[in-house]
Amino acid sequence: EVQLVESGGGLVQPGESLRLSCVASGFTFSSYAMGWVRQAPGKGLEWVSALTGGGFPPSYADSVKGRFTISRDNSKNTLYLQMNGLRAEDTAVYYCARRSGTTSGHFDYWGRGTLVTVSS
Amino acid sequence: EIVMTQSPATLSVSPGEGATLSCRASQSVSSSLAWYQQKPGQAPRLLIYGASTRATGLPARFSGSGSGTEFTLTISSLQSEDFAVYYCQQYNNWPLTFGGGTKVDIK
Repeated sequence: EVQLVESGGGLVQPGESLRLSCVASGFTFSSYAMGWVRQAPGKGLEWVSALTGGGFPPSYADSVKGRFTISRDNSKNTLYLQMNGLRAEDTAVYYCARRSGTTSGHFDYWGRGTLVTVSS
Repeated sequence: EIVMTQSPATLSVSPGEGATLSCRASQSVSSSLAWYQQKPGQAPRLLIYGASTRATGLPARFSGSGSGTEFTLTISSLQSEDFAVYYCQQYNNWPLTFGGGTKVDIK
């Protein structure tokens, strides 16, 4: 059974950093591209970042480019999202999701999400 | 950036009735279009990919159609568990983009 479990969310002040993790199980992690999708309170879904199964190249939404870094450790079946320079508008539930292919595709499995709140 | 526009924003339907949800892309996404269902407090769930292929285990009352810029999700006879928000998403071009969602609620 495919499982994705996010962690690392919390309350931070504007300008601070946070690192999210997503531990995957139930499939060959390195064979799939992965991504992060966020959802601000009461709003729709927004794609944030994605990474191929091999770990390169990363892709980012313009709203986070230069501030967020996606990475993965295939030996630990873990996807990361390093978030620097956090802003109030980054407040959201962050979902880790598996893409259907090694380099692209739709999101076929999702984690339950981790809440990031940026507030002073 | 490809803008995905969903209509209507809200659809009020009686149980047992059918529902048709629309998704329009600002430029062609070929058949690289997925539909997701999200219930309150839950993660999105994949319903349809490739514009018309049902995800594993999805009931046959859900069907997707379209290509290029115009797509439709049809639910033939709504069950109580189908009342939720539905999102379309294109994965043909960067950045990946989602529609704003259609909320299907009970009439």
